[in-house]
Amino acid sequence: QVQLVQSGAEVKTPGASVKVSCKTSGYTFTKYGINWVRQAPGQGLEWMGWISGYNGNTKYAQKFQDRVTMTTDTSTSTSYMELKSLISDDTAVYYCARGGGVVPTVHFDYWGQGTLVTVSS
Amino acid sequence: EIVLTQSPDTLSLSPGERATLSCRASPSVSSVYFAWYQQKPGQPPRLLIYGASTRATGIPDRFSGSGSGTDFTLTISRLEPEDFAVYYCQQYGSSSLTFGGGTKVEIK
Repeated sequence: QVQLVQSGAEVKTPGASVKVSCKTSGYTFTKYGINWVRQAPGQGLEWMGWISGYNGNTKYAQKFQDRVTMTTDTSTSTSYMELKSLISDDTAVYYCARGGGVVPTVHFDYWGQGTLVTVSS
Repeated sequence: EIVLTQSPDTLSLSPGERATLSCRASPSVSSVYFAWYQQKPGQPPRLLIYGASTRATGIPDRFSGSGSGTDFTLTISRLEPEDFAVYYCQQYGSSSLTFGGGTKVEIK
């Protein structure tokens, strides 16, 4: 069965970086991509970007363009999302979700369990 | 960026009643690239509908989606206790994917 398992909760100070992992199984990693979506406490869903599992191409939301880096490791079927220069407003649950393999214009059919990132001094 | 506006913010209904949720897009969206998700507290979202009207695997037929262009609707024909949750619409046809703000369906 398809599974996306994310790394554990993180606590960071303002200005630091965080790197969240999303290990996938149950499907051919290179046929799909991974999207990253975040959800601040009590708020809605915010798309951060997408990375192709096929060729590593990325598409980032403009809001995060300067601070986010998404990567993949096809040998372990794992995707990573690194967010830099953290501020308190980055406190949120970060989700990975399976999407399109070649283009980002595909719905998200499987989701990870979420990783809580807390930014606090 | 395509903005999705969901209404109402909260829908208070009883089990067995019909729920009608709305999502308005500005500018318009191709129905091919439109989805609905359900989220319960402490859980990730779950895909319900994609392509505006196609139910995802395992989704009961009491859930249906319709619409095109700027107006989309999610209908739950008869609410079951497990359907009380927050619902989000999403468009994934533009270079920047976006979600609506959500509609909470609560027990009246």
